[in-house]
Amino acid sequence: AQTVTQSQPEMSVQEAETVTLSCTYDTSESDYYLFWYKQPPSRQMILVIRQEAYKQQNATENRFSVNFQKAAKSFSLKISDSQLGDAAMYFCASNSGYALNFGKGTSLLVTP
Amino acid sequence: DAGVIQSPRHEVTEMGQEVTLRCKPISGHDYLFWYRQTMMRGLELLIYFNNNVPIDDSGMPEDRFSAKMPNASFSTLKIQPSEPRDSAVYFCASSLGTSPAGELFFGEGSRLTVL
Repeated sequence: AQTVTQSQPEMSVQEAETVTLSCTYDTSESDYYLFWYKQPPSRQMILVIRQEAYKQQNATENRFSVNFQKAAKSFSLKISDSQLGDAAMYFCASNSGYALNFGKGTSLLVTP
Repeated sequence: DAGVIQSPRHEVTEMGQEVTLRCKPISGHDYLFWYRQTMMRGLELLIYFNNNVPIDDSGMPEDRFSAKMPNASFSTLKIQPSEPRDSAVYFCASSLGTSPAGELFFGEGSRLTVL
């Protein structure tokens, strides 16, 4: 079974600081992909960043980067220079074919 | 291009009533997914379609749930009869199936409350 585990139900960060959200996964896929999605209070899920497991280089999208440790099955998200607009639920996901399995999410609070 | 459109945005109904949730995927997308989100279970995949054909419905909770995709631009998720434990936010998402790495585009969700 595919499982995605986010062990931090809530995290808090001060504006302009850096925060890291943790995620571990287990998959039977030989070639797989990992994702972080953001869900703001508006509810709509938005893709933040994705990583192809066969690529060793960690993905980066502006202030968002990942630390992908394949052997440890770890995929953490780092948010640098946190902004008030980053406050949201963050979901880690792995693919199962074309569908995604999501973790339970981490609620990120950003304080001024 | 408009995103994934779901209706209704909110639905309040009484136990035993039939509920129909609707979804219009992004034009040209060939995969459509239905997810359910609750506090207890998080985001669960219910069913997904490829080119209007159901591929995996193993996440559908029970026979009270059914989903259809009569054409490439419309899908429904029906619950009959509804129960209070069906209360959740139901999301529809679509993607272009060029790669499993493809982004899923989500609608804004339908919040269902069953009294």
